[in-house]
Amino acid sequence: GAVVSQHPSRVICKSGTSVKIECRSLDFQATTMFWYRQFPKKSLMLMATSNEGSKATYEQGVEKDKFLINHASLTLSTLTVTSAHPEDSSFYICSARDRQGAREKLFFGSGTQLSVL
Amino acid sequence: AQSVTQLGSHVSVSEGALVLLRCNYSSSVPPYLFWYVQYPNQGLQLLLKYTTGATLVKGINGFEAEFKKSETSFHLTKPSAHMSDAAEYFCAVSDHNFGNEKLTFGTGTRLTIIP
Repeated sequence: GAVVSQHPSRVICKSGTSVKIECRSLDFQATTMFWYRQFPKKSLMLMATSNEGSKATYEQGVEKDKFLINHASLTLSTLTVTSAHPEDSSFYICSARDRQGAREKLFFGSGTQLSVL
Repeated sequence: AQSVTQLGSHVSVSEGALVLLRCNYSSSVPPYLFWYVQYPNQGLQLLLKYTTGATLVKGINGFEAEFKKSETSFHLTKPSAHMSDAAEYFCAVSDHNFGNEKLTFGTGTRLTIIP
């Protein structure tokens, strides 16, 4: 079945550094990918919608310059947390939409636990 | 605007007992409804979804959910709980305007299975 690979699964960084998270669709082309953020004991909050070849659409309250999204190919979207601070520590999850043929499904990556010291 | 309310952030049931996780939604258009399961340090896995047609939807791992429009509910059930069902469960709703199917999630329900 379709798989979405998210890397790294866990990252610890120093405050002020930037961290890049990759989301790959392994066996389908994903024209649209979504990035979510999950706080402890909270639900997933949609951060942005990433469309291949165009600028990402950010949800209200999400800083575009803080969370840079690049969707350069049909199988890869990246989220870069720039100048990370402890309050950016969270669980980030991507999802990718597969619209090939008659099926349309949304597949989630396994998530990235970001800890900023 | 859409929203999802999951009643009970924690639910504990005995192994073999009925599992009932509650979900109520609010939507200005006919909704698509989903249940996802999340195991520790993993992403979400789709259990089942309702789009149109039959209101009783069967999913993986023996779970099912019934869409009740009059009650704006989409509760998740399983007749007999297994230890492996212990996880976090999220209900979600989306509109189905083509190309704009963003999911709105509930706050989740942690299911604990008592041996």
